[in-house]
Amino acid sequence: SQTIHQWPATLVQPVGSPLSLECTVEGTSNPNLYWYRQAAGRGLQLLFYSVGIGQISSEVPQNLSASRPQDRQFILSSKKLLLSDSGFYLCAWSVDRAGYEQYFGPGTRLTVT
Amino acid sequence: KNQVEQSPQSLIILEGKNCTLQCNYTVSPFSNLRWYKQDTGRGPVSLTIMTFSENTKSNGRYTATLDADTKQSSLHITASQLSDSASYICVVSEYSSASKIIFGSGTRLSIRP
Repeated sequence: SQTIHQWPATLVQPVGSPLSLECTVEGTSNPNLYWYRQAAGRGLQLLFYSVGIGQISSEVPQNLSASRPQDRQFILSSKKLLLSDSGFYLCAWSVDRAGYEQYFGPGTRLTVT
Repeated sequence: KNQVEQSPQSLIILEGKNCTLQCNYTVSPFSNLRWYKQDTGRGPVSLTIMTFSENTKSNGRYTATLDADTKQSSLHITASQLSDSASYICVVSEYSSASKIIFGSGTRLSIRP
């Protein structure tokens, strides 16, 4: 069966510090991978998606970047965090190009202080 | 502009009662509509997924309906339980697009004993 992992589960970082969140998927090959951010009481905002190794598409301009060094690994990074980067970050995967059925990871709660 | 609107924003009902959540969308071309349940601090979990040709889909006490002509969907919860307290998110995907996945802002449901 397929599983998706995210770590860390929670993170408190000062403004200006770097960020690296990791997401890995097991039990499937060549998945579409997604990074979302959810602000408190708000809907999910798509940040990045990837249809293959090294292929990253950004949906919104921001202080963050994403990379996919391996087929089932997706990393969200920042060189210098802003207060506005605080939120709940979710990674998701799907098996088809249309994102027909997405499966979400447990999320990372990021607080920038 | 593709949008997904959910109502009500929040809802409180007594344990054992039924409730219905609404989702209206303007996404076109339409691929599928999904309902997710998101417990606080957790990733969303899929409840139902419906394509254009499906009018209703059930998952235990959850029943989703879809009217593709009016672009409306509902999620009906029967005999609510305390564990149903969560946010319920309506998600609509655009046809043949890995990234055009529009999330509603969710309905926050609270079940009171």
